[in-house]
Amino acid sequence: RKEVEQDPGPFNVPEGATVAFNCTYSNSASQSFFWYRQDCRKEPKLLMSVYSSGNEDGRFTAQLNRASQYISLLIRDSKLSDSATYLCVVGMMDSSYKLIFGSGTRLLVRP
Amino acid sequence: SQTIHQWPATLVQPVGSPLSLECTVEGTSNPNLYWYRQAAGRGLQLLFYSIGIDQISSEVPQNLSASRPQDRQFILSSKKLLLSDSGFYLCACEEVMNTEAFFGQGTRLTVV
Repeated sequence: RKEVEQDPGPFNVPEGATVAFNCTYSNSASQSFFWYRQDCRKEPKLLMSVYSSGNEDGRFTAQLNRASQYISLLIRDSKLSDSATYLCVVGMMDSSYKLIFGSGTRLLVRP
Repeated sequence: SQTIHQWPATLVQPVGSPLSLECTVEGTSNPNLYWYRQAAGRGLQLLFYSIGIDQISSEVPQNLSASRPQDRQFILSSKKLLLSDSGFYLCACEEVMNTEAFFGQGTRLTVV
């Protein structure tokens, strides 16, 4: 089983739609959680951290469910510019601390 | 704030040739450093991570190696490249445990 799993998509949605991504992780001792955005042929960039209480940044809402070991990202009122790959990232302790990336979920927002 | 430098941006190398990719970090001390590889259309695969000078952990057995001779320098190497080594190599820096990681702009390696 992969340490961090995501639905690869693509999610193809019209502008203005609400779309949700889920991510599951296998290590219950995971300590930190993030969503990154990666545009085609570019490096990933932090979208938002995910806190236990859930957090919101404009049209983006991230939630963490430790009991079920999943993280979600909700995007409201999708824009064309939201088209990208969204990567779920989990920080966990192994022999030392490391960051593990999911394989990403591709989002395509159409006019 | 931290800045991550990776070079070169693009590299074409023949099979069997050596490789050396360098990543340097500015604006922070004693960061955690990572090398990831991303094959075309795929996710990020963790190759190596380092919590300090000369402290390297390898995630995947392969013909690559990594070294950290200085606190803010992380080098990815190979003695003989394989076709399967082609990909987008990304260096990442994490200032403090449990905080976000920042990436360099990456090196796109094509082995021919």
